[in-house]
Amino acid sequence: QKEVEQNSGPLSVPEGAIASLNCTYSDRVSQSFFWYRQYSGKSPELIMSIYSNGDKEDGRFTAQLNKASQYVSLLIRDSQPSDSATYLCAVTNTGGFKTIFGAGTRLFVKA
Amino acid sequence: GAVVSQHPSWVICKSGTSVKIECRSLDFQATTMFWYRQFPKQSLMLMATSNEGSKATYEQGVEKDKFLINHASLTLSTLTVTSAHPEDSSFYICSAREQNSEQYFGPGTRLTVT
Repeated sequence: QKEVEQNSGPLSVPEGAIASLNCTYSDRVSQSFFWYRQYSGKSPELIMSIYSNGDKEDGRFTAQLNKASQYVSLLIRDSQPSDSATYLCAVTNTGGFKTIFGAGTRLFVKA
Repeated sequence: GAVVSQHPSWVICKSGTSVKIECRSLDFQATTMFWYRQFPKQSLMLMATSNEGSKATYEQGVEKDKFLINHASLTLSTLTVTSAHPEDSSFYICSAREQNSEQYFGPGTRLTVT
């Protein structure tokens, strides 16, 4: 079992829809969770961080964390073609020494 | 957010030569820096983790004598690809973070070995 798992996609949604990206992790005592966006040919960009159970909203983005289910998700409301990218889920282990990245989910927003 | 720079942004070198890539944290002190490699259409691959003033910790399968990492200060880490070969052509990305904080990525360096 991979430490951080994501569906590789592509996930295709129409413009204006909600895109839902999911991630599961294996280390039950992980402390910190992040979502990065990576455009083709560019380096990853941090878009959300979440540390406690529940929802965290930032503009059109909402991160959701459920530690009991070892599950973290990212919702993108009112999806735009410019949101088309690969989204990486990252999980930091206990003590914060190592961050494990998922392989990423490719999102395609159709105009 | 925090800013991490990399230099150069792209480099072309001949097989057998060495290339140095710099990674700098511009507005924070990076206790830890990471070096990644990414081939086209593939995911990030962590190469090594370096803490300021300590030897880098390399991931399994990464040759430490080929990929020399130096983290001499809290704002600068360098990766030197020694005796580069065409198969080393890739996108090299560094990231940096303060103590137990988020990682911020540099813009990456595209290396082409001819």
